[in-house]
Amino acid sequence: SYVLTQPPSLSVAPGRTARITCWGYNLGSTSVHWYQQKPGQAPVLVISYNTDRPSGIPERFSGSISGNTATLIISRVEAGDEADYFCQVWDGSADHPYVFGAGTKVSVL
Amino acid sequence: EVQLVESGGGLFKPGGSLRLSCAASGFTYSSYAMNWVRQTPGRGLEWVSSISSSGSAVNYAASVKGRFTISRVNAWNSLYLQMNSLRVDDSAVYYCARADCSGGSCRIDHWGHGTLVAVSS
Repeated sequence: SYVLTQPPSLSVAPGRTARITCWGYNLGSTSVHWYQQKPGQAPVLVISYNTDRPSGIPERFSGSISGNTATLIISRVEAGDEADYFCQVWDGSADHPYVFGAGTKVSVL
Repeated sequence: EVQLVESGGGLFKPGGSLRLSCAASGFTYSSYAMNWVRQTPGRGLEWVSSISSSGSAVNYAASVKGRFTISRVNAWNSLYLQMNSLRVDDSAVYYCARADCSGGSCRIDHWGHGTLVAVSS
């Protein structure tokens, strides 16, 4: 089954840029979605279809994809961005169509 | 505003049963496929089951197939997950999740707040 690999953690200073990666075989041939989850809360979709930002999500959040790696980019990081971030792809031919990465915990220094 | 509100979680014994419910509001429920997704600290986010907008097509993760049953009543804007033969490793926060599919991919664009299921003797 499809496997998505994320770094477990990332630390970033306020005002700097955080880049969270998600690696998967042939990832460039599919669409990657990103979710933010703050402690005690449900996940929230922040980027879909690699680069699209849903309504209400700050412009500081953006996405990119190149080859086998998708990247969630958080510009001008704020303390409120501290959360877990998950990538997800959909594999309709698989037994588990929704595949999630293990998540990256972003800490704001 | 889209709202998904789960209920039915709690503490249960191995081998037991429970039914989770999800009340949907703020959108045309009958137009969307729905999912149950669970989360544990050790296994992260794990898709459990999907049901099509009409309810005619369902799908299950291998770990729950034959034990869990997903269903919906569109007239009531409700989603259910019947969980039988519970195992300790079914313990998780269970989320009701709305699917949005386009261009050969699906995402979850809205999540409920989650309901905790604990299975322990």
